[in-house]
Amino acid sequence: EAGVAQSPRYKIIEKRQSVAFWCNPISGHATLYWYQQILGQGPKLLIQFQNNGVVDDSQLPKDRFSAERLKGVDSTLKIQPAKLEDSAVYLCASSLNRRLSTDTQYFGPGTRLTVL
Amino acid sequence: AQRVTQPEKLLSVFKGAPVELKCNYSYSGSPELFWYVQYSRQRLQLLLRHISRESIKGFTADLNKGETSFHLKKPFAQEEDSAMYYCALKPGAQKLVFGQGTRLTINP
Repeated sequence: EAGVAQSPRYKIIEKRQSVAFWCNPISGHATLYWYQQILGQGPKLLIQFQNNGVVDDSQLPKDRFSAERLKGVDSTLKIQPAKLEDSAVYLCASSLNRRLSTDTQYFGPGTRLTVL
Repeated sequence: AQRVTQPEKLLSVFKGAPVELKCNYSYSGSPELFWYVQYSRQRLQLLLRHISRESIKGFTADLNKGETSFHLKKPFAQEEDSAMYYCALKPGAQKLVFGQGTRLTINP
């Protein structure tokens, strides 16, 4: 089966600019996650969707970050305006159904964002 | 607060030697724990989960609730084990909390 797809793979912007990332989860997966991974750290969950509803966005900086999952499939994550500290790899993951005890998250290749 | 600590950022061992990657967690409830691995130029992927009590690629991990640890072990390291390893805790509803990771290098 095809894995989680993300684009772009790399993005370089200047601070105060806007940027958007796209994620296409594995077909049939109800749960979608966006993580931020700063260099030298583990991934940190930003937002979690179940179908097209938000389950957890407690760690999403809502003054500048937004995410949506229209129609419960693809998702976009936007940063507006970007700050230097937003430089990181943004990972998208999907899983069949978060309510299953054996549910497994599958990760995409990530988008490496550099803010200058 | 839920937290995962991996005390070693870097770990280097010789091929054929035993490997132990340490993981300690902080969580007041009943934990679900995982090890994820990222090989060079590959995606982050699940290695094993404690509820499965399985051995994957020769690796095992035992949950020790008394010491709040979930160390990853392999008796004989292989060069292909070189990778970044992350311990992760699931406090509930699929939210994963990751440690900082340990870069394992297996020397020939």
